[in-house]
Amino acid sequence: DADVTQTPRNRITKTGKRIMLECSQTKGHDRMYWYRQDPGLGLRLIYYSFDVKDINKGEISDGYSVSRQAQAKFSLSLESAIPNQTALYFCATSDSNGRWETQYFGPGTRLLVL
Amino acid sequence: AQSVTQPDIHITVSEGASLELRCNYSYGATPYLFWYVQSPGQGLQLLLKYFSGDTLVQGIKGFEAEFKRSQSSFNLRKPSVHWSDAAEYFCAVGGSNYQLIWGAGTKLIIKP
Repeated sequence: DADVTQTPRNRITKTGKRIMLECSQTKGHDRMYWYRQDPGLGLRLIYYSFDVKDINKGEISDGYSVSRQAQAKFSLSLESAIPNQTALYFCATSDSNGRWETQYFGPGTRLLVL
Repeated sequence: AQSVTQPDIHITVSEGASLELRCNYSYGATPYLFWYVQSPGQGLQLLLKYFSGDTLVQGIKGFEAEFKRSQSSFNLRKPSVHWSDAAEYFCAVGGSNYQLIWGAGTKLIIKP
């Protein structure tokens, strides 16, 4: 089984709808991240969490919210989806031994907002 | 401001040929540098990282990278590419607030 899983893998939604993307990990890592990937822009950090009680905004958090339900689960919500949020979304995890531990990525969720 | 530039959007090489992917960074302090690979339909995987010490870093899958402070570069190399190396490659630098700053990526195409 994969260490970092994301559901759904693909999602089509309409403008104005609220949707949730879910991430689960079995690596036992404390740190979790949500990124979005757009062609030609690389990855941009949306939110990150260093433990269940620690949530931090990333570079592009507007229009998004997150919930860290447990050490292993980190969900990303789009409160009112807009076409500009069409992108590939990745969840990642890392250990907390040092500042720059390796990040382990899920397979991604491809989101299309119509 | 911290930034990472990957000048090549696409690179095409023949199978068996050598490869060099370019990465330039802008960062005031000693950089923490990374190369990740994204195979089609998959998430990213760490190839190698540089924190300090020897400026030539060995990674997985036969890749290596060289840190050159004078050129603000961290280029990725492989002596002989295989068709399975076709993927997108991302360079990143550790920025402030525990955030990685990512390059836009270079897509590697392998000619048979």
